[in-house]
Amino acid sequence: QVQLVQSGAEVKNPGASVKVSCKASGYTFINNDINWVRQATGQGLEWMGWMNSNTGNTGYAQNFQGRVTFTRNTSISTAYMELSSLRSEDTAVYYCARGRGGGQYYYYMDVWGKGTTVTVSS
Amino acid sequence: EFVLTQSPATLSLSPGERATLSCRASQSVSNYLAWYQQKPGQAPRLLIYDTSNRATGIPPRFSGSGSGTDFTLTISTLEPEDFAVYYCQQRNNWRDTFGQGTKLEIK
Repeated sequence: QVQLVQSGAEVKNPGASVKVSCKASGYTFINNDINWVRQATGQGLEWMGWMNSNTGNTGYAQNFQGRVTFTRNTSISTAYMELSSLRSEDTAVYYCARGRGGGQYYYYMDVWGKGTTVTVSS
Repeated sequence: EFVLTQSPATLSLSPGERATLSCRASQSVSNYLAWYQQKPGQAPRLLIYDTSNRATGIPPRFSGSGSGTDFTLTISTLEPEDFAVYYCQQRNNWRDTFGQGTKLEIK
């Protein structure tokens, strides 16, 4: 079955970086984008950006420009999200999600990972 | 700035009742909208895509409609497992936005 398996929980100090992985299975990895969405405790969903798994092209939300980097390793069907200069407000659950559709306006996310909890604390 | 506004923030209903959730876009960008359901401690789950298409495995009591700036998710007859938080999502110029969510709670 199609699934996205994320790496385990992380605890980081303020100012550090974190790298979360998302391993795809059950479909051809390069055929779909991977999106990253985060959710602070008790809050809503915040879209961080997308990555074309084939070309590596990316699109980042303005709030994260310059601080987030998406990469992938197609040989192992895995996408990565690295967030730098962490602060306490980055404490959240980070989800990867498979993108469907394409283009400027037609898009949705049909398969989600279970999430990775990132805690930023000194 | 493109914004999706969901209403109401909280909806209190009983099993067996009909639920109507609204999602309004700050500007008309497309007729493509998706809805997601999220239960506590779980990842979001796709319910509706392309405004009115049910995702795989989603029961027919869930339906979506709308166009332009106004979209609606309707649950015809609430089941106990439907009480959750619902989010709408739309893409505008390669950037995705989620609404702030509607919590559907048991009355």
